[in-house]
Amino acid sequence: AQTVTQSQPEMSVQEAETVTLSCTYDTSESDYYLFWYKQPPSRQMILVIRQEAYKQQNATENRFSVNFQKAAKSFSLKISDSQLGDAAMYFCAYISGGYQKVTFGTGTKLQVIP
Amino acid sequence: DAGVIQSPRHEVTEMGQEVTLRCKPISGHNSLFWYRQTMMRGLELLIYFNNNVPIDDSGMPEDRFSAKMPNASFSTLKIQPSEPRDSAVYFCASSPQGNEQYFGPGTRLTVT
Repeated sequence: AQTVTQSQPEMSVQEAETVTLSCTYDTSESDYYLFWYKQPPSRQMILVIRQEAYKQQNATENRFSVNFQKAAKSFSLKISDSQLGDAAMYFCAYISGGYQKVTFGTGTKLQVIP
Repeated sequence: DAGVIQSPRHEVTEMGQEVTLRCKPISGHNSLFWYRQTMMRGLELLIYFNNNVPIDDSGMPEDRFSAKMPNASFSTLKIQPSEPRDSAVYFCASSPQGNEQYFGPGTRLTVT
């Protein structure tokens, strides 16, 4: 079974600074997708970024980028120029390429300090 | 696009009552998922449908829980009878085939 581990229950960052959230996963599959979801206090789960395992290039979405290390099974999220609206729970998620069941990590609570 | 729609947004009920949560997925999405989120257990997948057919219901906690998807634009999650330990936020999500999931706003259920 796949597992997703987020070892940082809480993180904080100064506004306008950069922060990196860690995620590791365990799988024996070669075809899969990885995602980061954001859950602000409103509870809405928002897709932030996705990465296909077959792509070597790291995904980027505006201020959000990932560092995907397939051999190390690591998938960290970097948030640049942090904004107050970035404060939220962040969940790392894994989905097998051939099966739609998503495995979520336990989340990292990000605090942005003005 | 309106996104995934869930109703009600909040539900307060007494133990033993029947509760029905509703979900309208994004048009054109083939798959629909029901999740439960609690502080203790995090996000748990309860059941998911592909093309209206239940594929994996191994996460449904017990027989008190049931889910249906009578057509591509509607699904329900029913709890009968409800218990205080069912109190949680229930999310519905939909997905185009095999890719990222888009979540609804959730239903906060409180069972007293």
